[in-house]
Amino acid sequence: GAVVSQHPSWVICKSGTSVKIECRSLDFQATTMFWYRQFPKQSLMLMATSNEGSKATYEQGVEKDKFLINHASLTLSTLTVTSAHPEDSSFYICSATTATTDTQYFGPGTRLTVL
Amino acid sequence: TQLLEQSPQFLSIQEGENLTVYCNSSSVFSSLQWYRQEPGEGPVLLVTVVTGGEVKKLKRLTFQFGDARKDSSLHITAAQPGDTGLYLCAGGGSSYKLIFGSGTRLLVRP
Repeated sequence: GAVVSQHPSWVICKSGTSVKIECRSLDFQATTMFWYRQFPKQSLMLMATSNEGSKATYEQGVEKDKFLINHASLTLSTLTVTSAHPEDSSFYICSATTATTDTQYFGPGTRLTVL
Repeated sequence: TQLLEQSPQFLSIQEGENLTVYCNSSSVFSSLQWYRQEPGEGPVLLVTVVTGGEVKKLKRLTFQFGDARKDSSLHITAAQPGDTGLYLCAGGGSSYKLIFGSGTRLLVRP
């Protein structure tokens, strides 16, 4: 149980285009989802916290207009990287929690490469 | 700002050796989690400790939470090549957010 999926697993796009990444909780309802970013050989950095039906809360230094987060249902959150640039190339990972536990269940990640 | 420092940053050892990874902070956490991550994959939860002084064992892995809940350690006995990976500690607070440590990259040579 507690499986989280991400789609796509990898994506390559041209500079200036937008990319949408999906995060789904497959067998449970996720009241809260988190989006992280990880650069090569570094740790995870929290970008934003997303609650179903409300606006995401962004961490300091994360541009909310560039990284659009939508949590429209209890099983789906999306991260859209708008007008992507090469410096946005990174490994993006989501996680999800339920209302009854603070354990975060992580997705397998999405590798974004912006050319 | 809550920070978690891990040491060492990188460790390369021979199969069969023992090792300890440390996770230290000046902040108190309500829980401390340890994850292992392999390249190109998401982190996988190994253990959660919540009580100061708590010790948990998972086969050859021993986890300890400091009495003051500010630090933790992971000890691996008789390391195997399959233990190779990035080990991350993460501190939990009241908001369900996790603060991740800087990470320890372990390489176990056959």
